[in-house]
Amino acid sequence: AQSVTQPDIHITVSEGASLELRCNYSYGATPYLFWYVQSPGQGLQLLLKYFSGDTLVQGIKGFEAEFKRSQSSFNLRKPSVHWSDAAEYFCAVGARANNDMRFGAGTRLTVKP
Amino acid sequence: DAGVTQSPTHLIKTRGQHVTLRCSPISGHKSVSWYQQVLGQGPQFIFQYYEKEERGRGNFPDRFSARQFPNYSSELNVNALLLGDSALYLCASSSGPVGLNGEQYFGPGTRLTVT
Repeated sequence: AQSVTQPDIHITVSEGASLELRCNYSYGATPYLFWYVQSPGQGLQLLLKYFSGDTLVQGIKGFEAEFKRSQSSFNLRKPSVHWSDAAEYFCAVGARANNDMRFGAGTRLTVKP
Repeated sequence: DAGVTQSPTHLIKTRGQHVTLRCSPISGHKSVSWYQQVLGQGPQFIFQYYEKEERGRGNFPDRFSARQFPNYSSELNVNALLLGDSALYLCASSSGPVGLNGEQYFGPGTRLTVT
């Protein structure tokens, strides 16, 4: 079965600085890859997804992620962080062969003024 | 269009009791998945239903069960509640089976507290 690792539990960046959140997955075939954001007490909002094709995907709120098969990674990036980006970010991997999605443990982002 | 809706928002139960959580998918979506999110962790897959049939099951005990109705809404039932069942229960809907196109939309969740 597929699995996801998010190595960073908590990241703090200054407002206006760039951001990269790491995600590594394990799956034998080409996976579906997702990044979700969760604000306190809220459900999950989809930021972006990779199914196939172009390995650099653009999402909402100025986020992008790059699928690197050789590194089994799908890191999330944003060139300039806003205070409203403070939240919990989850990477997830889905498989064409089954019907479940596996989530990482999440990375909590704190934005300093 | 309304998004995924879940009820109730919050729930407090006692150990040993039974609970039923409800989910209405986005209009036109035929697939519903259930996830458990324990505080400080990522969501864990419990079930997926598509066209009223179970299409996937996570590693949860038989105390957890679910069903999908003809209007594609869904119920998650948990029997003999344990303290460890305290969590945010998330419902997600998609147009097809997750394994087909992968994209899901999540509801706000039901916060279950077991005392």
